[in-house]
Amino acid sequence: AQSVTQLDSQVPVFEEAPVELRCNYSSSVSVYLFWYVQYPNQGLQLLLKYLSGSTLVKGINGFEAEFNKSQTSFHLRKPSVHISDTAEYFCAVSAYGNKLVFGAGTILRVKS
Amino acid sequence: EAQVTQNPRYLITVTGKKLTVTCSQNMNHEYMSWYRQDPGLGLRQIYYSMNVEVTDKGDVPEGYKVSRKEKRNFPLILESPSPNQTSLYFCATRHGGTDTQYFGPGTRLTVL
Repeated sequence: AQSVTQLDSQVPVFEEAPVELRCNYSSSVSVYLFWYVQYPNQGLQLLLKYLSGSTLVKGINGFEAEFNKSQTSFHLRKPSVHISDTAEYFCAVSAYGNKLVFGAGTILRVKS
Repeated sequence: EAQVTQNPRYLITVTGKKLTVTCSQNMNHEYMSWYRQDPGLGLRQIYYSMNVEVTDKGDVPEGYKVSRKEKRNFPLILESPSPNQTSLYFCATRHGGTDTQYFGPGTRLTVL
């Protein structure tokens, strides 16, 4: 079985500062890794995904994530955040592509 | 336009009154699933379907039923709703040969 731990429930950050949202996973098999974003009162939107190949994955809205197999991590980063990035971010893993196992979510609050 | 639709978007009901939340997709995806989202728990899978007439339990199936009579529709049925089923529900779909799931806009259900 797979599990996902998002280490921070909330991350406050000032506008234009860098941010890192942490995600660790456990799995006995190879997995696909995803980050989804949920803006207030909206559904989930895929930010980026890692399937194989390069461990640095670039996504939409200037976000990127790095897969680290030895540390079983998939941290999400953005070098300079905007007010509009305020949202809840979910890390998820999938083995064989069927079920997504989600972390508890991290609320990113960008302050001016 | 490719989309996943859910109805209703908001529903307040009372304990024991049967209800159905519909999910429809226009992408001809084989795989569909239902998740519920609860604060601090992320999203958890309720049921999934690999194709027409093929359904299986996810992690939290108790109190729910599903059916898949047509490829495009995957309704979620609560035969006798209880207050602990108050939650935000998401339908998701995926093409059989890919890894990325697409989410509907969500249905916020309150059971009094």
